[in-house]
Parts: sequence; C-alpha cells; structure tokens
Amino acid sequence: QVQLVQSGAEVKKPGASVKVSCKASGYSFTSYYMHWVRQAPGQGLEWMGIINPSGRSTSYAQKFQGRVTMTRDTSTNTVYMELSSLRSEDTAVYYCARDTTSGAVAGNLFDYWGQGTLVTVSS
Amino acid sequence: DIVMTQSPDSLAVSLGERATINCKSGQSVLYSSNNKNYLAWYQQKVGQPPKLLIYWASTRESGVPDRFSGSGSGTDFTLTISSLQAEDVAVYYCQQYYSTPYTFGQGTKLEIK
Repeated sequence: QVQLVQSGAEVKKPGASVKVSCKASGYSFTSYYMHWVRQAPGQGLEWMGIINPSGRSTSYAQKFQGRVTMTRDTSTNTVYMELSSLRSEDTAVYYCARDTTSGAVAGNLFDYWGQGTLVTVSS
Repeated sequence: DIVMTQSPDSLAVSLGERATINCKSGQSVLYSSNNKNYLAWYQQKVGQPPKLLIYWASTRESGVPDRFSGSGSGTDFTLTISSLQAEDVAVYYCQQYYSTPYTFGQGTKLEIK
C-alpha cells in the first residue's frame, strides 16, 4: 500500500532553515510527482510546490521562490523540502502529497498524503 | 492567483439530512480544449491530512461513498452530501488545479446539528 512517512516535528529560531523529509513506499517512486502543502494552525491549505522525482525538475509557488528547495533521493525513495529564512508566519504543518497521475505530466491534485510535520518557528 | 471562496464558513446539519457547500473561483477553471473543470474537493478530519473526494468537479475518487457528489462548471461549484452521517464531520476544501499556484478555498466546517 502507498505510504508517505515524514520526519518528526521541528522547532526553529527565526532566520534558520528547516529540512523536512518524506519517504515513499508501496509504489514506483519515480512515476509520480510529489507536492508540498502547508497548513498554519487552524488555517487552510497552501500549495508550496512540486518536484518530479524522475527528472529533478521543480516548480515553486511565487510566494516561496528563493526560500524553498525541493530535492529527492531515488536511492531511498525520499523527497525533501527545505525552507530557509524562517519567520513566525512559517509555523505550520507541512505535508508531502503524491500527485494523482503517473507519467510525464502532473495532474496537480493529491491522492496520498504524509502524516504531516509540525514546524514551529519561535525565538 | 485564482482565489477560491467557499460558503458558508461553517454548517450544522442534522443526521440524515442534506449538506451543501459552495465554492466560487475568481476565474473560470473550465479548460475549453477538453471541456473539463479543474476543480477538486477534499475532506479533512481533525488531526488527519486531507482526503481527496471529488475531482474534475464531479468524479468521485475510488472508495468515496456515493452520498458525496460534486456539481458545477466554470466558476461555481457545489459539494453535496445527500444524507449526512456522523463520520462526515470534517472541514471540506475545494481546490483548483487549473493553474499555478494551485489554490484552495478557506474551508467549510461541517458539524452535526
């Protein structure tokens, strides 16, 4: 069965960086794009970007351009999301979410989600 | 960015009754070349990640009960739960996947009356 297992909660100081991992299993890792979506406490969902685990290509929401980097390691079937220059507004649960569509073109909606990683930014 | 606006923000419905949630997009999410609406609905229960319910505005994801249905086209969409069950208590989100950044509505909290 498809599983996305994320790394544990993090507490960071303003200005620091955080790197969240998402280990995939139960399917062909390189066949499906992976997205990152975040959710501030008590708030809605915000799409951050997408990575193609097959070809490394990425696309980020303009809001996060310059601060976010998504990478992958095909030897461990893991994708990573690193967010830098953290501020209090970045306090949120970060989810990895698998794209619904296999192949060269992403569907851009999400069928399997990780359990979420809480990142708290506080001085 | 395409702004997605849901109504109402919260809703209380009696068990067995119909629940209706609306979603309006700031611009059409209907792609003319394939006549498909790039609109999805998700359900998020407390402490859980979202779950995909509906895509292409009206296609149920595999395993989703048929009491859930989606309708609408262009800029106006509706999620209907025909007969509310206790396990349907959740926050519901619409999402457009027509263009980046892929955006969500603010959510509608559904409770039992």
